[in-house]
Amino acid sequence: GQQLNQSPQSMFIQEGEDVSMNCTSSSIFNTWLWYKQDPGEGPVLLIALYKAGELTSNGRLTAQFGITRKDSFLNISASIPSDVGIYFCAGPHAGNNRKLIWGLGTSLAVNP
Amino acid sequence: NAGVTQTPKFQVLKTGQSMTLQCAQDMNHNSMYWYRQDPGMGLRLIYYSASEGTTDKGEVPNGYNVSRLNKREFSLRLESAAPSQTSVYFCASRRRQGGSNQPQHFGDGTRLSIL
Repeated sequence: GQQLNQSPQSMFIQEGEDVSMNCTSSSIFNTWLWYKQDPGEGPVLLIALYKAGELTSNGRLTAQFGITRKDSFLNISASIPSDVGIYFCAGPHAGNNRKLIWGLGTSLAVNP
Repeated sequence: NAGVTQTPKFQVLKTGQSMTLQCAQDMNHNSMYWYRQDPGMGLRLIYYSASEGTTDKGEVPNGYNVSRLNKREFSLRLESAAPSQTSVYFCASRRRQGGSNQPQHFGDGTRLSIL
């Protein structure tokens, strides 16, 4: 079945550093969604990508929809302590786009 | 604008007890979802409701039932709680717009412990 593989699994960085994480699959996706989950809260949508090659920014965050449609990347520039959390990628299930396939997340820790 | 509201936020149950988790959304969304989140397992879909009056099983439906009470509300019931159901439960909703993949919006979760 469809799977999304996120890497790295976790990251520990210094404040001010740039962060890069990715999400890959052996299947093609026509939408990529990036969510962030703060401790004790539900996931919140950061960026939605709908077109292969698309590059979209949201403040210090930039996400790209890979040309092959089998991967997506999320970059965070100049990290700050409030960037701490778990970042998830997700994409619609091939047989039923009402459901999402989720990656297992990248846990980010930022040292002030 | 409340978005997706889940109640309760925390609950402790004894094995065998029953419990209903409530979820309501005020965004006029068509679809609603229940997930559970366990360490290292990500988000796993329990049940979903594509529209009012319909419900379907997700990946891990065993031990749960759902009711789509109306367009706003979607409840999750544990008839006989088991320790394996200790988890954080999230409700989500989504607007249906033609064939486009609209993102899901989440509540803040219910933290459930079963002793």
